[in-house]
Order: sequence, then structure tokens, then C-alpha cells
Amino acid sequence: EIVLTQSPGTLSLSPGERATLSCRASESVGSYLAWYQQKPGQAPRLLIYGASTRATGIADRFSGSASGTEFTLTISRLEPEDSAVYSCQQYGNSFTFGGGTKVEIK
Amino acid sequence: EMQLLESGGGLVQPGGSLRLTCAGSGFTFGSHAMGWVRQVAGKGLEFVSLLSVSGSTYFADSVRARFIISRDNSKSILYLQMDSLSAEDTAIYYCVKGRYGGSGAHWFFDLWGRGTLVTVSS
Repeated sequence: EIVLTQSPGTLSLSPGERATLSCRASESVGSYLAWYQQKPGQAPRLLIYGASTRATGIADRFSGSASGTEFTLTISRLEPEDSAVYSCQQYGNSFTFGGGTKVEIK
Repeated sequence: EMQLLESGGGLVQPGGSLRLTCAGSGFTFGSHAMGWVRQVAGKGLEFVSLLSVSGSTYFADSVRARFIISRDNSKSILYLQMDSLSAEDTAIYYCVKGRYGGSGAHWFFDLWGRGTLVTVSS
């Protein structure tokens, strides 16, 4: 089973700052990597698929990138509503999720 | 508006069974892979099962011998029959719509329901 390791566990930043979230795969998944945002009490929402393609309706301050088995979600200018848990998912070989990164807005 | 609405969750004793239902609306249900993802309270997401348009099924190893996924496209409904339940199955179960990500068995999930809580306890 492919393991996805997300870091950091928690990120505490101020509005307007840049957030960089990491997701490392235990083996190659190509570009078959998605990112989801989950706010408390809500279902996850798709942000990014194919490692770097924004889903419909997602603000352009969210971007994804990849380098080998290392994937990054960047939120360029944090807004208060970005407070959430962000999870990555690989769909290159079956389906697994990372443990999530919690983003807190100071 | 595309929506998924789960039902069928509840309290069940260890060793018992439960059938979850997911009703889809606002999209052509039969044209998409559909599945289930679960989440233990305070924990991460875990893939459970997926059923493709062609009828191929995929399961997490932890549920493969105990869960059955099926669909009724005429009613736009997805089912998850869960047998031999244990405390480790306690979680919120989300219904998901799969979006095809490339040749082969590659789907990510572009629509999620609000979830239904399954609690396995005596």
C-alpha cells in the first residue's frame, strides 16, 4: 500500500501569509494526486487533481505542484476562511489518503 | 445542483450488519464511478470501496471480505452492505462521486455527501 505522509501536522499563520503544505508518497504515483479541504463538521471538498489542476470554482490562490514523489499545496495569500484540514489522496495505485495538515489562521 | 445524500447509518452491535444508501441527484448517476470513504472521529480519511461504471469493484483490504458495494442506476442510488461489523468500522461514511483521472483504475473524488455515522458498539 502506498503511504502518504503529510507535513507539518499543524500550520499556524496570519491572514495574507503564504502556506506551504507537503505530501510525500512512499513510491511513485505519477501525477495521480489530489488535494481536499475539510472544514469542521463539513464534508471534504476537492481543491486540486492531477497534482496541479484546480477544481472548478477553486480560488487561484490555491496551487499544486509536484517533484517526483513530493507534492506541495500552496495557498498564496491566506484568508480567514482557509482555516481547515487539508488532505492529499493518491489514485495512482488503489486509493490512499494522507493524515492531513491543519491550517490555523491567527 | 449536484448532490449526494447518505442514509442508513446508526448504532449496531459487533458482528451485526448495516446497509448504507446514497442518493445522487443533479448529474447522470450511471455515467460515473461511485464509492465510499470513511473517517473516524478526529482522524484522517480512509478509502472503503468504489464501483466503476463497468461494474469493477475496489475495496480496502480491511473490508474486502465483509462489505459489498452495488448500485441501482435507474434510481440513482449507491449501496454499501456491511457485514461482520466491529468497533474498528465506527466512522462517518461519506458517499463520493468518482471522476476519471486517466487510463486504468484512476479516480479522484469530485463530489462528497455530508456523511452518515456508523457506530458499532454493544
